[in-house]
Parts: sequence; structure tokens; C-alpha cells
Amino acid sequence: DSGVTQTPKHLITATGQRVTLRCSPRSGDLSVYWYQQSLDQGLQFLIQYYNGEERAKGNILERFSAQQFPDLHSELNLSSLELGDSALYFCASSVESGYEQYFGPGTRLTVT
Amino acid sequence: GNSVTQMEGPVTLSEEAFLTINCTYTATGYPSLFWYVQYPGEGLQLLLKATKADDKGSNKGFEATYRKETTSFHLEKGSVQVSDSAVYFCALRGMNYGGSQGNLIFGKGTKLSVKP
Repeated sequence: DSGVTQTPKHLITATGQRVTLRCSPRSGDLSVYWYQQSLDQGLQFLIQYYNGEERAKGNILERFSAQQFPDLHSELNLSSLELGDSALYFCASSVESGYEQYFGPGTRLTVT
Repeated sequence: GNSVTQMEGPVTLSEEAFLTINCTYTATGYPSLFWYVQYPGEGLQLLLKATKADDKGSNKGFEATYRKETTSFHLEKGSVQVSDSAVYFCALRGMNYGGSQGNLIFGKGTKLSVKP
């Protein structure tokens, strides 16, 4: 158990819908990262937050957004969903950039 | 930009066989290198890491050496077990002028199946 929790574990929704994925980092970790794992693109970095502020952006679509709250949990919002958004979404946390990242179990999103 | 290339799988071995999974990288400066393992239905776990050239990371019988001259970080294990069956990801964390970057860049992953 990494100490990073993600909810829900599975999510099935229809095209055009909007979903919110939630992540709680390990106790004491200030940085949260979101990654997308799909069959065609592999594991890709989406976005990083540090203590509530956006720190780095990767291959995140404009339809996706994220935020980190004062209690340090983070949410990834995916809107206008398309079939191609079906993937495993992982959250990871670390004390700070450059330190070891601990991954959550992931949320499997299926868009039908 | 930074990138990681690792051998395509799947790799199927018999128990006690020798394992090598090749990984090469492209990066500016001196990235840190990692191997992560993903067991079925689980998240990624850090297996080992190396932060500078010639460093050897090791854990659970797995080893990898950071070779700057060949830009490689190949994963090896002398005798695999059925319980090693998983997907293995090579990854790097880059450097920028402000210091170490946060995000990881992953290879495509190599699925290992070990038969008894």
C-alpha cells in the first residue's frame, strides 16, 4: 500500500459526459501528479500540482482540468468525454519535485 | 525532448532463467533513471533507481546500471520467479535550469511472463 488513495476505482460513462476523479496524497506529500495510461499512448504525464499551485503541465487536453485543494487532495476533471479518453488514470504524490513518487491504484475510466 | 525507449514485449521465460529488459533514453543534462513494476490490477511500484552515471540500482535481485556513454539503463535479474510476472516500465526524470523536474517520462512497458 503506497498510501495514495484514488476514487472511484472504476467509472463507466457515456460520450459527452463529465467526470471527476479524486486523489488523496500520502500524508506529508505536497506534490500531486496525474498520469494517463492507455494502450496506444502508454503512460503519459498530464499535470503536477504543488501545495495548491500548478507546477508543470504535460500532454493534458483542454477538456481536462485539475486542481489541488487546501487539504492537498486533488481532483482531475474530464469533460466532453470521447471514446479515446478510456484509460487508467493514476495519481502519484511526492514530498517535492525531484523526490520519489508514490502511485495510487488508479481509476479505470470506460467511455461508451 | 526527453524520451525513453524500451524493448517491446511480451517476454516469456521459464523459472530461474536470466532476464534482461533493454532501456535507452534521450535527455539533456543528467536525468535520474528508474524502473517501475506494475503487477496485475495494481498501481506502479518503484523497483530501483539511479541518479548519476555509473550508479547501480538494485532491489529484490533486480539490477540496472546507469550508463551515460550508451544512454542505457538495462534491467537484469539472474534467476526469475513466477512471482516476477508483471509489466516493467523504464522511466526518467529530467533536469532543467531550476533543478530536477518533477514528472516522469515512461517507456511503453514490457510485459514479463514467467512459467513454472
